[in-house]
Amino acid sequence: EIVLTQSPGTLSLSPGERATLSCRASQSVSSNYLAWYQQKPGQAPRLLMYGASSRATGIPDRFSGSGSGTDFTLTISRLEPEDFAVYYCQQYAGSPRTFGQGTKVEIK
Amino acid sequence: EVQLVESGGGLVQPGGSLRLSCAASGFTFTSHAISWVRQAPGKGLEWVSGISGGGTNTYYPDSVKGRFTISRDKSKNTLYLQMDSLRAEDTAVYYCAKHYGSGSFYAYFDYWGQGTLVTVSS
Repeated sequence: EIVLTQSPGTLSLSPGERATLSCRASQSVSSNYLAWYQQKPGQAPRLLMYGASSRATGIPDRFSGSGSGTDFTLTISRLEPEDFAVYYCQQYAGSPRTFGQGTKVEIK
Repeated sequence: EVQLVESGGGLVQPGGSLRLSCAASGFTFTSHAISWVRQAPGKGLEWVSGISGGGTNTYYPDSVKGRFTISRDKSKNTLYLQMDSLRAEDTAVYYCAKHYGSGSFYAYFDYWGQGTLVTVSS
């Protein structure tokens, strides 16, 4: 099983600041089959990124993803008020599918 | 427009059973794998089962293997999750999630339902 560890657990930032979220895998994620999801309170998760660096349909370009192998990063270049949420990484290269424990981006 | 609508959640006693449904629309149902993902109150996401587009192949993590059964009915465009021998730790919101692309189980989840709450308690 691929274990995903996200850091930090909580990120306290102000609107307009840059957010950098990390996701580290216990073993290499083949083909960079790594996705990022955003979840707001009371809502279902929403796909942000897939293939580590491809934005999903309708996702603004302030969101970007990078990384390969075991180390992946989600960057939000300038935080908008609607970006404060919990973010999860997920690998879909193997079974079982696994998620990171989440990073909460909160307003400072 | 892709829509996934879960139903069937509720309160059940430990050791009991429950069947969840996920009504799908807006895409070719038999062309896409679909999974169930759960989220315990205040916790993260956990994948609990998946099924191929044709329904031939099913997948489970060890935490639910032997207790949960996933199935799909192409005549009704509906996905099911039969949950038996329920435990308190199965308490969660259960989401169905569509896999991107036709044919491959190894794909990300591009659409999610709004979830249904299952509470296991005496």
